[in-house]
Amino acid sequence: ETGVTQTPRHLVMGMTNKKSLKCEQHLGHNAMYWYKQSAKKPLELMFVYSLEERVENNSVPSRFSPECPNSSHLFLHLHTLQPEDSALYLCASSNPDRGSGTEAFFGQGTRLTVV
Amino acid sequence: GQNIDQPTEMTATEGAIVQINCTYQTSGFNGLFWYQQHAGEAPTFLSYNVLDGLEEKGRFSSFLSRSKGYSYLLLKELQMKDSASYLCAVRDRDSGTYKYIFGTGTRLKVLA
Repeated sequence: ETGVTQTPRHLVMGMTNKKSLKCEQHLGHNAMYWYKQSAKKPLELMFVYSLEERVENNSVPSRFSPECPNSSHLFLHLHTLQPEDSALYLCASSNPDRGSGTEAFFGQGTRLTVV
Repeated sequence: GQNIDQPTEMTATEGAIVQINCTYQTSGFNGLFWYQQHAGEAPTFLSYNVLDGLEEKGRFSSFLSRSKGYSYLLLKELQMKDSASYLCAVRDRDSGTYKYIFGTGTRLKVLA
């Protein structure tokens, strides 16, 4: 496989459930990102991992918990979510410190619905 | 702080040229990116500017003026498949951390 792969593509969960989103990249990148995309809002940066270390946490509620066990994998653990957390969750990766042309590559996203 | 502005919606005709503008404010500018996103799909990379001037890639061109905090994406010979959202993003380097900050996107409708 190549690129950035996210699973599952769709997820419906109750407010008391615990679930995890998975992201895998096969591009040799050293930075990975979680974004939330809601209707009529810009992509919101949630977490940044650089060389497997979390370097950014944009005031995200603790009901979202990221994990980066190695440079190729990123998880987002979800528990006791609210209906307003329903959105498209996108994972991205990049090698930003290589200089020019180092764009972020995105996975297809997980469409999350909290009921 | 960071701020990125772009128009919400634009409409153009097949075969025409359209220019989508983006203005930004950021403290650690490290490059400007344009992405295309079709409904329900992932954003895909279109172009990158880090120095002032025009970058051309087939039917798509992107321009940057760092002193003005301004960029535009130019789409020529519009096709129906170009109907999508176009996202302007700034890479910001803050304390050694690189972040990609996105605007709300411009939804482009191409009419026959």
